[in-house]
Amino acid sequence: EADIYQTPRYLVIGTGKKITLECSQTMGHDKMYWYQQDPGMELHLIHYSYGVNSTEKGDLSSESTVSRIRTEHFPLTLESARPSHTSQYLCASSIGEGHTGELFFGEGSRLTVL
Amino acid sequence: GQNIDQPTEMTATEGAIVQINCTYQTSGFNGLFWYQQHAGEAPTFLSYNVLDGLEEKGRFSSFLSRSKGYSYLLLKELQMKDSASYLCASMDSNYQLIWGAGTKLIIKP
Repeated sequence: EADIYQTPRYLVIGTGKKITLECSQTMGHDKMYWYQQDPGMELHLIHYSYGVNSTEKGDLSSESTVSRIRTEHFPLTLESARPSHTSQYLCASSIGEGHTGELFFGEGSRLTVL
Repeated sequence: GQNIDQPTEMTATEGAIVQINCTYQTSGFNGLFWYQQHAGEAPTFLSYNVLDGLEEKGRFSSFLSRSKGYSYLLLKELQMKDSASYLCASMDSNYQLIWGAGTKLIIKP
């Protein structure tokens, strides 16, 4: 079983609120990712990181930010939540050396913005 | 553009064999992944192919043809617990994964 954890698992908030989704992994993986997934749809990459102090934007990054101060921690922040942010957010990690390692996913954070 | 195509939904009978196809078009190619995702859960890794041919892993096998941009996942001796979505993903030249929308597999007794 993968050692990657996300909190909260479920969150319902009002429009305009600032939220942070937490993701931590205990496997020492260098690479970490945030994906957004709607039911029956493909995963979309929001942000990724190749290591401490490294962050890159994915396809859907414009309304969120991430930080990577420690190897094990990769939080995602929405400064002002909107109903269009309602979705499932999946955090994942992979081994840094080599480019083709499998992804280990967290259980996901299901966000509802009213 | 980059694109992954796989059927939306398939139905099969317990104990039977099912093949889930995936075609891909990506900028460069660094391998093809299959993941399993049960409803409400996180995806879990099933297989990775970077060379042409069939890779067998227990009841599951995965095939790749790079010249055709085609892969399939073969599931044998189907069990009820195999009911899940199966996600195909191609790794492009920048080592980024391009994901399909997934194939929902329904297993009937």
